[in-house]
Amino acid sequence: DIQMTQSPSSLSASVGDRVTITCRASQSISSYLNWYQQKPGKAPKLLIYAASSLQSGVPSRFSGSGSGTDFTLTISSLQPEDFATYYCQQSYSTPRTFGQGTRLEIK
Amino acid sequence: EVQLVESGGGLVQPGGSLRLSCAASGFTFSSYWMSWVRQAPGKGLEWVANIKQDGSEKYYVDSVKGRFTISRDNAKNSLYLQMNSLRAEDTAVYYCARENYDFWSGNWFDPWGQGTLVTVSS
Repeated sequence: DIQMTQSPSSLSASVGDRVTITCRASQSISSYLNWYQQKPGKAPKLLIYAASSLQSGVPSRFSGSGSGTDFTLTISSLQPEDFATYYCQQSYSTPRTFGQGTRLEIK
Repeated sequence: EVQLVESGGGLVQPGGSLRLSCAASGFTFSSYWMSWVRQAPGKGLEWVANIKQDGSEKYYVDSVKGRFTISRDNAKNSLYLQMNSLRAEDTAVYYCARENYDFWSGNWFDPWGQGTLVTVSS
């Protein structure tokens, strides 16, 4: 199984900050990497698919990059509604696997 | 509106069984792979199983193989998860999710249902 490791596990930031979350795969997954946002008590929401494609309706302050084993999710200017937990997920092989999550908190 | 609505969760004793359902609407259900993903309380996301459009292929995470069975009824636009021999570690919110696919982009989960809670406890 492909292991996905996110860093950091938690992060404190302020409104307006630029934030970067990293996801590393245990083997090359090409660009088959997705990012989700989850708020407490809610289902996950797709933000980015195929490493860098922005899902329709997602604000342009979210962006993704990377290929192979190393990927990043960047939020260019944090908004109050962005404080949530973020997960990466690989679709290169089955079983589909997720990172452990990065909790983004208000500083 | 594309929508997925899960049902069937509840409290069950260890060793018991439960059947989850997911009702799909707003899209051509029979054209998509579908998945179940779970989340234990306070923990991260874990993919559980998926099923091909016509039900001819099914895949499972190792921890549920031989205990859980995924199935679908395209005439009813419904996805199911039969869970047998339940364990305390199966306690989680179970989400159904549509798998979208593109040759160049791979697969991604969207949308997700609201989830249904399964609690395995005596």
